[in-house]
Amino acid sequence: TQLLEQSPQFLSIQEGENLTVYCNSSSVFSSLQWYRQEPGEGPVLLVTVVTGGEVKKLKRLTFQFGDARKDSSLHITAAQTGDTGLYLCAGINTGNQFYFGTGTSLTVIP
Amino acid sequence: GAVVSQHPSRVICKSGTSVKIECRSLDFQATTMFWYRQFPKQSLMLMATSNEGSKATYEQGVEKDKFLINHASLTLSTLTVTSAHPEDSSFYICSARILAGGPLTDTQYFGPGTRLTVL
Repeated sequence: TQLLEQSPQFLSIQEGENLTVYCNSSSVFSSLQWYRQEPGEGPVLLVTVVTGGEVKKLKRLTFQFGDARKDSSLHITAAQTGDTGLYLCAGINTGNQFYFGTGTSLTVIP
Repeated sequence: GAVVSQHPSRVICKSGTSVKIECRSLDFQATTMFWYRQFPKQSLMLMATSNEGSKATYEQGVEKDKFLINHASLTLSTLTVTSAHPEDSSFYICSARILAGGPLTDTQYFGPGTRLTVL
């Protein structure tokens, strides 16, 4: 299996703090996606990264794809309570198969 | 953007009954839909891949006779939990996939999920 480990599994921080979530694998992926899921809803796509070393920014969120395309990180600057949710990475291999990460549950405390 | 709906959003049933969950792609055709199960604050567990007009492909450990999947049209897939038991209580999510020729457009669009509670 092409396992994607996310760390940390749970994270609770104060509003205004910065944080980084990691998504690691021993497998190479063609692309990698990040999703955010709020309680009782389905995941929503945040970003897709394709090129090794690629960095994408979405307002206060910065996503990076590792040079070897085996890992990725999500950095949130000045977290807000609206950032609370479950963050999932998903790797897509050359056979177009999706592999979801183990998930990171983020709680931002006001 | 692509919209996927699920019905019902939540259902409570008695042990031993069967429950059907519908997943529809509202503004696009999906040759492939996926069914996931999710426990609180955990990641998605792929149960099966549903292809229009053919039998679903189940992941290891998922009982095909218990979780019946039908993908009768390009916009509808159904998951029936047969003879449900309390341990089947979970959040079930479907997704539909758009393959448009490259990794940037290979995206799964998720339904809002169905909360199943078996008493």
